[in-house]
Amino acid sequence: DAKTTQPPSMDCAEGRAANLPCNHSTISGNEYVYWYRQIHSQGPQYIIHGLKNNETNEMASLIITEDRKSSTLILPHATLRDTAVYYCIVSPASNFGNEKLTFGTGTRLTIIP
Amino acid sequence: GAGVSQSPSNKVTEKGKDVELRCDPISGHTALYWYRQSLGQGLEFLIYFQGNSAPDKSGLPSDRFSAERTGGSVSTLTIQRTQQEDSAVYLCASRRQQGTNEKLFFGSGTQLSVL
Repeated sequence: DAKTTQPPSMDCAEGRAANLPCNHSTISGNEYVYWYRQIHSQGPQYIIHGLKNNETNEMASLIITEDRKSSTLILPHATLRDTAVYYCIVSPASNFGNEKLTFGTGTRLTIIP
Repeated sequence: GAGVSQSPSNKVTEKGKDVELRCDPISGHTALYWYRQSLGQGLEFLIYFQGNSAPDKSGLPSDRFSAERTGGSVSTLTIQRTQQEDSAVYLCASRRQQGTNEKLFFGSGTQLSVL
């Protein structure tokens, strides 16, 4: 699996956009970028994923650079409930490949009132 | 059920005892994963089941750890002769089918404490 690099922690003011970066410089052409978050004492929760186009859903937006070596998760209007650890992971697309998703240590995002 | 269910939610055991942790995946999900999360750490992959295929056991840390999945549904993770370093949250996740377009759904985990 390609490895990802994320800053260990970030702060963001409530109501502002939170931009969480992720580097995945060794990503392969068929690997997707996934984002999950883990709120204290809960299991991780899926947020969004993408291959090469930017994606948006009700939770967040995902911006992937043209060379796919990095991406940014955007929470447009952060609330206190968005305080969590955010994981960026990559996974191969092949149905016959390694299916395990490797989680790093993520970014601990703290929303400041 | 509506989500992935794990039991027990908390387990306290003495060093040297065996423990069994249970995971009920979402109905119809063919892929099931076990992860371990030590305090303040990321998720460590343990084992992966996909349908009737042989499981990927590459993440199991020692031969004290084993897991099975009966009838393609419920899974049990067994830790024999527990050690203090086994203390962690054990997370189970499932997804609908093989392939990376399907997201993982996680349970709330079992907090294992080995005294």
